Amino acid sequence: QSVLTQPPSVSGAPGQRVTISCTGSSSNIGAGYDVHWYQQLPGTAPKLLIYGNSNRPSGVPDRFSGSKSGTSASLAISGLQAEDEADYYCQSYDSSLSGSVFGGGTKLTVL
Amino acid sequence: EVQLVESGGGLVQPGRSLRLSCAASGFTFDDYAMHWVRQAPGKGLEWVSGISWNSGSIGYADSVKGRFTISRDNAKNSLYLQMNSLRAEDTALYYCAKSGRRGELQNWGQGTLVTVSS
Repeated sequence: QSVLTQPPSVSGAPGQRVTISCTGSSSNIGAGYDVHWYQQLPGTAPKLLIYGNSNRPSGVPDRFSGSKSGTSASLAISGLQAEDEADYYCQSYDSSLSGSVFGGGTKLTVL
Repeated sequence: EVQLVESGGGLVQPGRSLRLSCAASGFTFDDYAMHWVRQAPGKGLEWVSGISWNSGSIGYADSVKGRFTISRDNAKNSLYLQMNSLRAEDTALYYCAKSGRRGELQNWGQGTLVTVSS
């Protein structure tokens, strides 16, 4: 059971928009700690996609966006492409655990 | 270009020890906190441990506290993870990652596989 809760899977057709939620609690997201998002393509190391809730590292397309509100955060992917098919993870800090925590991951399928 | 190269993984019996290393290059190593993250086969990411730039702040996941020790040698641009009393559930791909200013894991190595089995 992960501290941050993500849906196990989401799917969408090419060109569509999908969102992935990340629900935490008052000791992590709700306490104001930043949320970061990672993309993990099959057989590869994770890659930073969004940092500090809504910032994109250089090289990440603006089709990817992040937001945060209360005890939850969301990753939105617009204009879905086949190459977006991957696992996505959210990450934050938890004050009760005194360490970083990840969501359980969401598998995105492009139909 | 930032490079993180993990080594030291392998097959080890339950109860034994293993030391992982991460060689860093392409950035000023002693400016950044570093972390270990693991991924069991077919499972999600699990944060294992993190260490500040000067080793003054260290944290561990509850699952490894008391058994694993993180350390770094800034003179050698290297990060380490000493793993003692290994269990079957420690079997995973272990990634070394460079932390950004807001706690994000900016760069990741390719990982080193640890298999704990008799």
